[in-house]
Amino acid sequence: KAGVTQTPRYLIKTRGQQVTLSCSPISGHRSVSWYQQTPGQGLQFLFEYFSETQRNKGNFPGRFSGRQFSNSRSEMNVSTLELGDSALYLCASSLLGRSETQYFGPGTRLLVL
Amino acid sequence: GESVGLHLPTLSVQEGDNSIINCAYSNSASDYFIWYKQESGKGPQFIIDIRSNMDKRQGQRVTVLLNKTVKHLSLQIAATQPGDSAVYFCAESAKTSYDKVIFGPGTSLSVIP
Repeated sequence: KAGVTQTPRYLIKTRGQQVTLSCSPISGHRSVSWYQQTPGQGLQFLFEYFSETQRNKGNFPGRFSGRQFSNSRSEMNVSTLELGDSALYLCASSLLGRSETQYFGPGTRLLVL
Repeated sequence: GESVGLHLPTLSVQEGDNSIINCAYSNSASDYFIWYKQESGKGPQFIIDIRSNMDKRQGQRVTVLLNKTVKHLSLQIAATQPGDSAVYFCAESAKTSYDKVIFGPGTSLSVIP
């Protein structure tokens, strides 16, 4: 099976812009989770989607949003970018998301200037 | 954001020695624990998991120990190899928090040839 794919792999934006990142889960996986990884804060949970519904949400401002499509592909959007949003954004998928192994993609490296 | 575990420590071991990586978790209701390995430029990779009804679980060259009394998790790597050099994360989730996965800050393992 193909693994989790994320596009784009690298992105440079300026403050105030918005960005959309995409994640394609492993075929058959219905749960998709997003994480932000920074050197200072480590891996932090953003949100989880299952069957097109947001089921869990981390402690991030409303500028961070996401959605999931009927084919389980997911996108996350960050509006009004801030310098502190520079990070590696990781997507992970699992079959049902309930205390199961998550498989991570390679991440999207976002740099905000 | 939320996090579990100590500040990012580093561990250096000689090739062939055993490695022990420790992690303290915060939520006594957590019932599922996972260890991930992250190599530079890649997303985290699942190593081994354990549920709260177990104290020990073994995989290929890896063993996870869970001490619920002191909320402590450890990963033991036998006969450490240069390819084991990476950052290792412990993660926890709990059904009472809708299985939101919380990651520790990570431990950097460096294997000396």
